[in-house]
Amino acid sequence: KQEVTQIPAALSVPEGENLVLNCSFTDSAIYNLQWFRQDPGKGLTSLLLIQSSQREQTSGRLNASLDKSSGRSTLYIAASQPGDSATYLCAVEPSGSARQLTFGSGTQLTVLP
Amino acid sequence: GAGVSQTPSNKVTEKGKYVELRCDPISGHTALYWYRQSLGQGPEFLIYFQGTGAADDSGLPNDRFFAVRPEGSVSTLKIQRTERGDSAVYLCASSVSGSMNEQFFGPGTRLTVL
Repeated sequence: KQEVTQIPAALSVPEGENLVLNCSFTDSAIYNLQWFRQDPGKGLTSLLLIQSSQREQTSGRLNASLDKSSGRSTLYIAASQPGDSATYLCAVEPSGSARQLTFGSGTQLTVLP
Repeated sequence: GAGVSQTPSNKVTEKGKYVELRCDPISGHTALYWYRQSLGQGPEFLIYFQGTGAADDSGLPNDRFFAVRPEGSVSTLKIQRTERGDSAVYLCASSVSGSMNEQFFGPGTRLTVL
């Protein structure tokens, strides 16, 4: 059974810092990995999707990498801003017939002004 | 609409009651998913539809939970004889098709069972 772990569970940084969020998964048989952002009381906003054949994806100040063989992904946020404060979730879609995402518990990020 | 919508946004009910939660996916998306999120946890898969049929319902916790998608668009998640442990945020997502496509999530329905 696929298990997804996110470390740290919570992170607080001053504005302007670059930071890295970590995601690990136990089964490397995946189609893709997605990073999401969730604001309190809200749904999930997709940030980046990395296909299993890709190594990284970039969108603005965000860069996500994927090392499928070692079961790891990182989300790099450059020049953090208070508006980046949210919970960040990673999720993997398994290869094979299953289509559902398996999520980690998230990293709660606070960027202090 | 532009995104996935869910109604109601909040639902408070009493233990033992029946509830229905609705999801309107993005137009043209054939795949639809239901997830459940408890406080402080990531969402957990419940059921996946491809078109009108439930392609995978392995995440439904027990037979009190049922979901339909009769015309391949709107879906309804139905919970019978609700229990306090059913309290959670129920999230719906849709994608263009089932495999290797980005899933887009709705805002969720917060269900509270008293």
